[in-house]
Amino acid sequence: NAGVTQTPKFRVLKTGQSMTLLCAQDMNHEYMYWYRQDPGMGLRLIHYSVGEGTTAKGEVPDGYNVSRLKKQNFLLGLESAAPSQTSVYFCASSRELNEQFFGPGTRLTVL
Amino acid sequence: AQSVTQLDSQVPVFEEAPVELRCNYSSSVSVYLFWYVQYPNQGLQLLLKYLSGSTLVESINGFEAEFNKSQTSFHLRKPSVHISDTAEYFCAVSGNYKLSFGAGTTVTVRA
Repeated sequence: NAGVTQTPKFRVLKTGQSMTLLCAQDMNHEYMYWYRQDPGMGLRLIHYSVGEGTTAKGEVPDGYNVSRLKKQNFLLGLESAAPSQTSVYFCASSRELNEQFFGPGTRLTVL
Repeated sequence: AQSVTQLDSQVPVFEEAPVELRCNYSSSVSVYLFWYVQYPNQGLQLLLKYLSGSTLVESINGFEAEFNKSQTSFHLRKPSVHISDTAEYFCAVSGNYKLSFGAGTTVTVRA
């Protein structure tokens, strides 16, 4: 099993550009999550999904959109990137209210 | 809603010395508690978890944490650290399909 994978690993954007981060899991987990990690702030939840076709807002959803068209994939979109979105983004999945499995992260820089 | 406070942002420690990382949580419902570790430039890995039962939980690499309901704490300890324990450690509490993370504690082990 690959676990949780994220694409791409690194990306540099200019202000105003758009992009999509892809998260895939092969563990048949129902729940999937997108976090951002910034120095001194831990991980903050952006959006999450409790099943295929469902999404919900987390702590810091502004400027991001998500989609869960297939159970194994969870996409995070930035429609118009801003420098404040420079961060490391982590995807995670879990079966229930239990251990979350994390991907390796995507390092995004917005200039 | 739940929240987590990690009381120390940085903990320097000498090799073979003990270490304690403090974590306090607040929640209005029954909780599951977790400690995750993040090695440099990697994703988060589960270190140990408390779901129910014995309040003392242990990891395979010598860490232990004790759930104290009256003090709403879940402190992490290791009696003798190694250089390889240098990492960032995150305490997390679950509820309502989500995890809430503390800001993290950076442990630096010196020879």
